[in-house]
Amino acid sequence: GENVEQHPSTLSVQEGDSAVIKCTYSDSASNYFPWYKQELGKRPQLIIDIRSNVGEKKDQRIAVTLNKTAKHFSLHITETQPEDSAVYFCAASRSGTYKYIFGTGTRLKVLA
Amino acid sequence: ETGVTQSPTHLIKTRGQQVTLRCSSQSGHNTVSWYQQALGQGPQFIFQYYREEENGRGNFPPRFSGLQFPNYSSELNVNALELDDSALYLCASSPRDTVYNEQFFGPGTRLTVL
Repeated sequence: GENVEQHPSTLSVQEGDSAVIKCTYSDSASNYFPWYKQELGKRPQLIIDIRSNVGEKKDQRIAVTLNKTAKHFSLHITETQPEDSAVYFCAASRSGTYKYIFGTGTRLKVLA
Repeated sequence: ETGVTQSPTHLIKTRGQQVTLRCSSQSGHNTVSWYQQALGQGPQFIFQYYREEENGRGNFPPRFSGLQFPNYSSELNVNALELDDSALYLCASSPRDTVYNEQFFGPGTRLTVL
């Protein structure tokens, strides 16, 4: 069945360092991959997404890479700041379905 | 343009009871999806409504049901509540007729079943 694996489950980095979160999906028909940031008690907020027709997308300190052959995609956060501390979820979806398969989340702690 | 809203914010029920959760989609969005997020887990897809009809369902029993109204708002109904139904219930709405699937989440309803 459809599945998204996400690693690591927790990640602690020093302020200013980079953080990388990795996801693997099983459905080869998936073509849309959003990343959400969820702070405690808040709604998931879309921070970046990538579509299967590109291999990389960048938005300031955040970037996402996609390897369709390996069915891997990753979130990269550079120059981390304490306000980046949150739980991050990856998801995979097929166009037109609006059904997301989420990963299990990564709790990122940025230590000042 | 207003965002996705949900009501109530919190709810406490007992086993066997029934509950209705409500979601107002973002302006211009005609698709609403519902997700269940257990503590420490990622959201799990329950079902989706498009033009007032169910348009896809996850691995949830029939006691989870829903509705979508002509104004695209939606309800999630859960009958015969079980302790494991305790979770954050999120709805997400999607823009009209896009190829890709951007979804925007509401703040959620936290349901506690005692």
